[in-house]
Amino acid sequence: GNSVTQMEGPVTLSEEAFLTINCTYTATGYPSLFWYVQYPGEGLQLLLKATKADDKGSNKGFEATYRKETTSFHLEKGSVQVSDSAVYFCALSTATGNQFYFGTGTSLTVIP
Amino acid sequence: DAGVTQSPTHLIKTRGQQVTLRCSPKSGHDTVSWYQQALGQGPQFIFQYYEEEERQRGNFPDRFSGHQFPNYSSELNVNALLLGDSALYLCASSWLAGGNEQFFGPGTRLTVL
Repeated sequence: GNSVTQMEGPVTLSEEAFLTINCTYTATGYPSLFWYVQYPGEGLQLLLKATKADDKGSNKGFEATYRKETTSFHLEKGSVQVSDSAVYFCALSTATGNQFYFGTGTSLTVIP
Repeated sequence: DAGVTQSPTHLIKTRGQQVTLRCSPKSGHDTVSWYQQALGQGPQFIFQYYEEEERQRGNFPDRFSGHQFPNYSSELNVNALLLGDSALYLCASSWLAGGNEQFFGPGTRLTVL
């Protein structure tokens, strides 16, 4: 079956610290992988995506590389800001795009 | 472009009642998916609609039903509400021929008392 496992939070970092949020997946076929961000009281916003092995998605200083050999898609940012405080969700989409599977989310708080 | 819109924003119902949630997809999108997000959890797939038909369904009971209209907008109906149905309901739209990226609306917060 398909599933996503991401590191549990909450994560608290000081401004300018390095961020890593781990995500691993189980999938049949060749899924696409995504990171979504959810700010308080809002819906999900796409942060970045990768559609095939070794692809690197990047946006707003965040990066994640699709690693088929380790079935991972870890999110990284070199220097976090207070405005990055949010809940981050790792997700996979089946090859047909019919269905998304989400992890449980990792809450990030960045303190000044 | 207004993006994906959902109504209402918040809703309070009592057990046993029925509820209808509405979604308008992003302009140019023809596919609508619905998700349930319980507090502190990731979204769970309910079902997806394309060409006014249910294309795929997640592990939800028949109390959850939907509809898609010719203008691609969609409704989610939940009958015989249970306390456990309290959640944020998210609608996501996509373009079937354009790959599998989904755009999410802000959600409807349903509280069942």
